[in-house]
Amino acid sequence: EIVMTQSPATLSVSPGEGATLSCRASQSISSKLAWYRQKPGQAPRLLIYGASTRATAIPARFSGSGSGTEFTLTITSLQSEDFAVYYCQQYDNWPLTFGGGTKVEIK
Amino acid sequence: EVQLVESGGGLVQPGGSLRLSCLGSGFTFSRHGMHWVRQAPGKALEFVSAVTNNGASAYYADSVKGRFTISRSNSKSTLYLQMSSLRPEDTAVYFCVRWDNAMDVWGQGTTVTVSS
Repeated sequence: EIVMTQSPATLSVSPGEGATLSCRASQSISSKLAWYRQKPGQAPRLLIYGASTRATAIPARFSGSGSGTEFTLTITSLQSEDFAVYYCQQYDNWPLTFGGGTKVEIK
Repeated sequence: EVQLVESGGGLVQPGGSLRLSCLGSGFTFSRHGMHWVRQAPGKALEFVSAVTNNGASAYYADSVKGRFTISRSNSKSTLYLQMSSLRPEDTAVYFCVRWDNAMDVWGQGTTVTVSS
């Protein structure tokens, strides 16, 4: 099973500032990586797939990069709805696996 | 509107069984692989099971293999998860998810509580 490790566990950011979230895979997953945002009490929402392709209706302030084992989600100018938990997920191998999440909180 | 609606959750005793259902609407159900993902209280997301669009292949997390069975009825646009030999650690919100490049559409989830 591929282990996905996200860092940091918690990120404190002021509204309007940017944030950089990291995700590492225990073995190469090419670009088979997705990012999701989950607000409290809601289902997750797909942000990025293929490591860098924004999903439908996702604003340009979200960008993804990386390949192999190291990946990054960058959010520029955080809005109120961006304070949430973010998960990365690999879909290169079964079983699919998620990272433990990064909580982005208001500083 | 593309929508997934789960049902069938509830309280069950350890060792018991439960069947979850997920009704899809607003899209051609038979064109998409479908997944179940769960989230225990305060914990991260966990992949549970997936089935290909035609039902020919199924995949499971090691934690549920041999106890859970995924299936689908394309004529009814419905995904199922038959859960047996339930354990307290199976307590979670279970999400039904559509696959299209990634997990692109999620239901709101149904809660399963395993407790005596």
